[in-house]
Amino acid sequence: GAVVSQHPSRVICKSGTSVKIECRSLDFQATTMFWYRQFPKQSLMLMATSNEGSKATYEQGVEKDKFLINHASLTLSTLTVTSAHPEDSSFYICSAKTTSGAPGELFFGEGSRLTVL
Amino acid sequence: AQSVAQPEDQVNVAEGNPLTVKCTYSVSGNPYLFWYVQYPNRGLQFLLKYITGDNLVKGSYGFEAEFNKSQTSFHLKKPSALVSDSALYFCAVRVTGFQKLVFGTGTRLLVSP
Repeated sequence: GAVVSQHPSRVICKSGTSVKIECRSLDFQATTMFWYRQFPKQSLMLMATSNEGSKATYEQGVEKDKFLINHASLTLSTLTVTSAHPEDSSFYICSAKTTSGAPGELFFGEGSRLTVL
Repeated sequence: AQSVAQPEDQVNVAEGNPLTVKCTYSVSGNPYLFWYVQYPNRGLQFLLKYITGDNLVKGSYGFEAEFNKSQTSFHLKKPSALVSDSALYFCAVRVTGFQKLVFGTGTRLLVSP
């Protein structure tokens, strides 16, 4: 089956620093990846849609300059949280769609828990 | 706008008993519906989907879901619950014309021994 890998699974950083999270499709090419944010005991909030070779499409209310997304290859998308602050602490999950999958069928990474001190 | 509602924050069931996790949806056009499960500090795992065809969809780990167009529901079911089924379950609907999904608020399933 389609496997999506996220790294790191956990990261702790100081306020004001930047953190990069990687999302890789291991056994398939993903032209489109999605980044979600999940608050404790809440649902997933879509942050942005990442398209290979083009700019990401951000959801309303998501700061583009705060959450930088790069999808440089068909198997890798990165989310960089710039100048992180404690309120950015959250669980970030990426997902990807295979070209052969049903419309909307996504495969998710294991998530990355960010803690900003 | 597409939306999904999961009316129950938590469902409690005894091991061996049948379980149902409710989901209703609102979409324009034909719905593409999904169920995912999340274990603590993990990503989401795909359980099953409804795109077209039979209203009863069978998925992973013995789960199934019934698509009911008249009631706009897509409830998740399992005939006999296991303690290991305890997790957070999300219903999702595809946004028409896009690949992205809109998720419900999630239902925590607790199966007691």
